Amino acid sequence: SQQGEEDPQALSIQEGENATMNCSYKTSINNLQWYRQNSGRGLVHLILIRSNEREKHSGRLRVTLDTSKKSSSLLITASRAADTASYFCATGPIQGAQKLVFGQGTRLTINP
Amino acid sequence: KAGVTQTPRYLIKTRGQQVTLSCSPISGHRSVSWYQQTPGQGLQFLFEYFSETQRNKGNFPGRFSGRQFSNSRSEMNVSTLELGDSALYLCASSFGGARLSGNTIYFGEGSWLTVV
Repeated sequence: SQQGEEDPQALSIQEGENATMNCSYKTSINNLQWYRQNSGRGLVHLILIRSNEREKHSGRLRVTLDTSKKSSSLLITASRAADTASYFCATGPIQGAQKLVFGQGTRLTINP
Repeated sequence: KAGVTQTPRYLIKTRGQQVTLSCSPISGHRSVSWYQQTPGQGLQFLFEYFSETQRNKGNFPGRFSGRQFSNSRSEMNVSTLELGDSALYLCASSFGGARLSGNTIYFGEGSWLTVV
């Protein structure tokens, strides 16, 4: 079963704009991870944020975590055509169990 | 260093057959887990192996099995294939130590299985 919901399910923006994707989850977590998946390919790890962290940055990516609301967001700034992909949040691992529980993902399309 | 390597990348099988997929984790990683991705169900956890022992298992029938070797390489097997087993099967690896709950989990490119 899925941990939670991602919002929106699909997002289409112009190149250069910022893209924000949201993820909600249901249970307490230790970690939350964001992944990118290009069509037909594997998952590329973007960022891991721990439950005691509120914000992390990596290049043009910014992830926030609000454990009181059980939600996270991924912001991609200055989007590029190459950012076109599906983005997934996943909760886990927790206490050594290397299991991730994924949301349904957001399909992001960057229009040139 | 090399990432997670999965073979084969694509395969077509007939209903009732069995299939074995292989995964080589990142060097030094001892945990290997498997996921199934379908358009309808999304990404679903199958099982995880650590030091040759199955440590966690998802909600899949017994037709789905796996194993891990002493060099951490892993295989998963699906017996008596059904049409609904058509999916992208993803392998993931991490250090996996019990105290390292903040492990980053890395994925391979996946194996596309089509059952006809």
